[in-house]
Amino acid sequence: EVQLVESGGGLVQPGGSLRLSCAASGFTFSSLAMSWVRQAPGKGLEWVSIISSRGDTTYYADSVKGRFTISRDNSKNTVYLQMTSLTAEDTAVYYCAKDHWTGPFDYWGQGTPVTVSS
Amino acid sequence: DIQMTQSPSSLSASVGDRVTITCRASQDISNHLAWYQQKPGKAPNLLIHAASTLQSGVPSRFSGSGSETDFTLTISGLQPEDVASYYCQNYNSVPRTFGQGTKVEIK
Repeated sequence: EVQLVESGGGLVQPGGSLRLSCAASGFTFSSLAMSWVRQAPGKGLEWVSIISSRGDTTYYADSVKGRFTISRDNSKNTVYLQMTSLTAEDTAVYYCAKDHWTGPFDYWGQGTPVTVSS
Repeated sequence: DIQMTQSPSSLSASVGDRVTITCRASQDISNHLAWYQQKPGKAPNLLIHAASTLQSGVPSRFSGSGSETDFTLTISGLQPEDVASYYCQNYNSVPRTFGQGTKVEIK
């Protein structure tokens, strides 16, 4: 059974940093890309970032470029999202998703909430 | 970047009604279009990929059509458990843009 479990969310002050983790199981993690998607309260889905299976190719939404860094550790079946210079506009539930690079997101985690507030 | 324009933003229909949601891409994305259902407080769930291929386990009352820039999600016989928000997504390129979402309610 495929499982994606996010962790690391919480309350952080504006300008602060946070690292999210997504632990994967039930599939060959090292063979697939992974994405992060977020959803601000009461809003729609916003794709954030993608990382290739080997971790050598990454892309970011313009809204987070230069502030967020996606990475992965295939030995731990885990993908990370390092978030810096956080603002209130980054407040959202953050989901990781299994991404086939040329396919849809067929599995999602349950999400981890991030609140940026003083 | 490819923009995805979804309509309507919300709709209210009766149980048993046929419901149609449209999604338009700003550029040709071939059939690289997915539809997701999201119930309140839950993660999105993949309904349809490749514009018209039903994901395993999804009820057959859901169907998708379209190609290039114009796509449609149809629910043939709305059920109470279909109350949710629905999103289209381009996976032809990066960024993997989503439509704005359509909230479906029961009248």
